[in-house]
Amino acid sequence: AQTVTQSQPEMSVQEAETVTLSCTYDTSESDYYLFWYKQPPSRQMILVIRQEAYKQQNATENRFSVNFQKAAKSFSLKISDSQLGDAAMYFCAYRSARDDKIIFGKGTRLHILP
Amino acid sequence: SAVISQKPSRDICQRGTSLTIQCQVDSQVTMMFWYRQQPGQSLTLIATANQGSEATYESGFVIDKFPISRPNLTFSTLTVSNMSPEDSSIYLCSVGRGLDYGYTFGSGTRLTVV
Repeated sequence: AQTVTQSQPEMSVQEAETVTLSCTYDTSESDYYLFWYKQPPSRQMILVIRQEAYKQQNATENRFSVNFQKAAKSFSLKISDSQLGDAAMYFCAYRSARDDKIIFGKGTRLHILP
Repeated sequence: SAVISQKPSRDICQRGTSLTIQCQVDSQVTMMFWYRQQPGQSLTLIATANQGSEATYESGFVIDKFPISRPNLTFSTLTVSNMSPEDSSIYLCSVGRGLDYGYTFGSGTRLTVV
């Protein structure tokens, strides 16, 4: 069975600085999708960025980028120029290409220090 | 991506009673997913709801406790039956809109059982 591990329960970063959130996953499959979701206090789950496993190029979305290391089964999220609005719970998630279920990690709570 | 309207946003219920949560999607979708997020925890998939067939439940979740209806391609309900304080959680519905788009989530229902 697939698993997603986020080893950092909480992190803090100074406003305008860069922070990297870690995620590792375990799977025997070769075709899958990885996501980072943000959940602010409003509890709305917001898709931040996605990566297809068959793509070697790391995904980027404005200030958000990933470091996808398929062999190492690592999928970290880098947030550049951190803003107060980035404070939230961040979940790493895995989806097999064979079915539609998403498996979530336990999350990392990110604090932005003014 | 799809827009999901989830109701109610929160409720406080007496133990032993039942609560039905509704999710309405602004477009037709094949599958809808129901998740539970216990306090301070990650999201756990309860079941997958396909239109015209019985929902598929994940390990640890049973139909008698969490009956699901899916009468058409834009609507689904989750009922939390015979509630106990352990059922106090956030319940979220979700839809997929193709492999490239991850999933869209409803705004969640915060349930407190007293």
